[in-house]
Amino acid sequence: AQSVSQHNHHVILSEAASLELGCNYSYGGTVNLFWYVQYPGQHLQLLLKYFSGDPLVKGIKGFEAEFIKSKFSFNLRKPSVQWSDTAEYFCAVNANQAGTALIFGKGTTLSVSS
Amino acid sequence: DVKVTQSSRYLVKRTGEKVFLECVQDMDHENMFWYRQDPGLGLRLIYFSYDVKMKEKGDIPEGYSVSREKKERFSLILESASTNQTSMYLCASRGDALGYTFGSGTRLTVV
Repeated sequence: AQSVSQHNHHVILSEAASLELGCNYSYGGTVNLFWYVQYPGQHLQLLLKYFSGDPLVKGIKGFEAEFIKSKFSFNLRKPSVQWSDTAEYFCAVNANQAGTALIFGKGTTLSVSS
Repeated sequence: DVKVTQSSRYLVKRTGEKVFLECVQDMDHENMFWYRQDPGLGLRLIYFSYDVKMKEKGDIPEGYSVSREKKERFSLILESASTNQTSMYLCASRGDALGYTFGSGTRLTVV
């Protein structure tokens, strides 16, 4: 079965700092990878996804993630965070086969101070 | 755009009640999912369905059942609601391209 581990429960940064949120998954086969964001009081929004091809994926709002197959990792990055990036971030993985579901990590809360 | 509609935004139910959470999608997607979201635990998969009348248990199916009589509708049933089922419930659907669409969620409080 798939599982997802997010390394940090809560990250606190100042505006303009760089961000990297860790995500590792366990599954031996081909996977599809996602990062979602949930702003306070709002519902889930897709930041970016990886299905195949270039392992460096660019998403919305200046976020990017790199798939490193050998490390089973899909870390999220942003060079310079803004106060408006304060939110909860979820990494998720779906095995690339029929009859499977999207499995989420426990989430990382990002607090950005201005 | 695909729309996933959850019938209630907020629900308050009493312990022991039978509770139905309804989810409808409008894009003929084969796959539908129910998750619950709790602080510090992320989204946990309760049940999913990859076809009409088909269902698969997720990671936390205990205390829940589901029904999928029509392709567009996937219902989550709490047979006898308990306080530990107080949570945010999210429905999602997925088409062939593996893109997921989530509903706005139902915040259920069991008192």
